[in-house]
Amino acid sequence: EDQVTQSPEALRLQEGESSSLNCSYTVSGLRGLFWYRQDPGKGPEFLFTLYSAGEEKEKERLKATLTKKESFLHITAPKPEDSATYLCAVHDYSGAGSYQLTFGKGTKLSVIP
Amino acid sequence: GAGVSQSPSNKVTEKGKDVELRCDPISGHTALYWYRQSLGQGLEFLIYFQGNSAPDKSGLPSDRFSAERTGGSVSTLTIQRTQQEDSAVYLCASSLVGQGSEQYFGPGTRLTVT
Repeated sequence: EDQVTQSPEALRLQEGESSSLNCSYTVSGLRGLFWYRQDPGKGPEFLFTLYSAGEEKEKERLKATLTKKESFLHITAPKPEDSATYLCAVHDYSGAGSYQLTFGKGTKLSVIP
Repeated sequence: GAGVSQSPSNKVTEKGKDVELRCDPISGHTALYWYRQSLGQGLEFLIYFQGNSAPDKSGLPSDRFSAERTGGSVSTLTIQRTQQEDSAVYLCASSLVGQGSEQYFGPGTRLTVT
């Protein structure tokens, strides 16, 4: 069974203090690793898709990287508006003909001014 | 353009009642998913629709849960004889195709069973 583990569960950063969030996964065959951002009371917002080890993608202060066993979401010089829960998910073949996402429990990021 | 919409945004119901949750996906997206997000838990897959294919119901937690998708667009998730453990946020997502495509989520319906 595919598993996705995110760490830390919660992270408090000072504004401008760079850090990384971790997502480790075990899958039989990776078909895509996804990062989402979720604000309170809202649905997850798509950030990145990574498909193969060594791949990197960037968006503003965020950079996602992928190895064969884990992905990192690097946050450079964060701002208070980056505060949110960041979710990692892998595309998982259900065996019943569909491809759903298996999610980690997320990392709650708080950026203090 | 318009994103995924869901209604109602909040639903409070009494134990034992039936509820219907609605999802309107992004126009042109052939794949539609329902997930459940409980407090302190990750998102849990419920059901998947792709075009005219038979839906993948492998994630439904019990036979009290069912869903349909009419005309390849709007979907309704029905929970019969609701229980307190059904309280959660129900999220709908859509994507262009099934495998490997980004899924775009709606705002969710918060269901509270009293």
